[in-house]
Amino acid sequence: EPEVTQTPSHQVTQMGQEVILRCVPISNHLYFYWYRQILGQKVEFLVSFYNNEISEKSEIFDDQFSVERPDGSNFTLKIRSTKLEDSAMYFCASSGLAGVGELFFGEGSRLTVL
Amino acid sequence: GENVEQHPSTLSVQEGDSAVIKCTYSDSASNYFPWYKQELGKGPQLIIDIRSNVGEKKDQRIAVTLNKTAKHFSLHITETQPEDSAVYFCAASLTSYGKLTFGQGTILTVHP
Repeated sequence: EPEVTQTPSHQVTQMGQEVILRCVPISNHLYFYWYRQILGQKVEFLVSFYNNEISEKSEIFDDQFSVERPDGSNFTLKIRSTKLEDSAMYFCASSGLAGVGELFFGEGSRLTVL
Repeated sequence: GENVEQHPSTLSVQEGDSAVIKCTYSDSASNYFPWYKQELGKGPQLIIDIRSNVGEKKDQRIAVTLNKTAKHFSLHITETQPEDSAVYFCAASLTSYGKLTFGQGTILTVHP
């Protein structure tokens, strides 16, 4: 069964460092997303990406965040200068044709900022 | 923006009993309501979804009901099994491929 894969599964970084989280969405999907879940809190939408551009972003997704689909298979989330409050589980998701519905989530990348 | 509230936060049942989890949403324009199951160390997995033109949908032991007037929807699991133990999230969206707004999650524990 096709799946969304994410790397790394866990990353520990120092405050102020740049972090790149990587995702390989399901191959024929067109819509890509990043969500995050701070421990004990709701899963929160960060950004959606379609046709090589951001289609929607939340207020959390400020200038410190960026997304890229560098090569047609990977989908990355970059945090330029990490803060303590960026510590969370980051989930990548992808979705197929419009109207089909289901978002397929990866297993997540746990980011710990010290 | 949309706000989704989910109750209860924890639910403990005996194997074979039914479990009901309820969610309310604020944006009457939302028209897609999925339910996700998250097992420990894994990402959320869709278990059932419903669109606003449907009042109820069933898939084996799982059913979802939607009341658009009251802006609430519920997940019903019958004949619960220990493997149903997980965190369940409801969500709402304006479209089926857009931004999902999640509820807080319900930790369901099914005791053998």
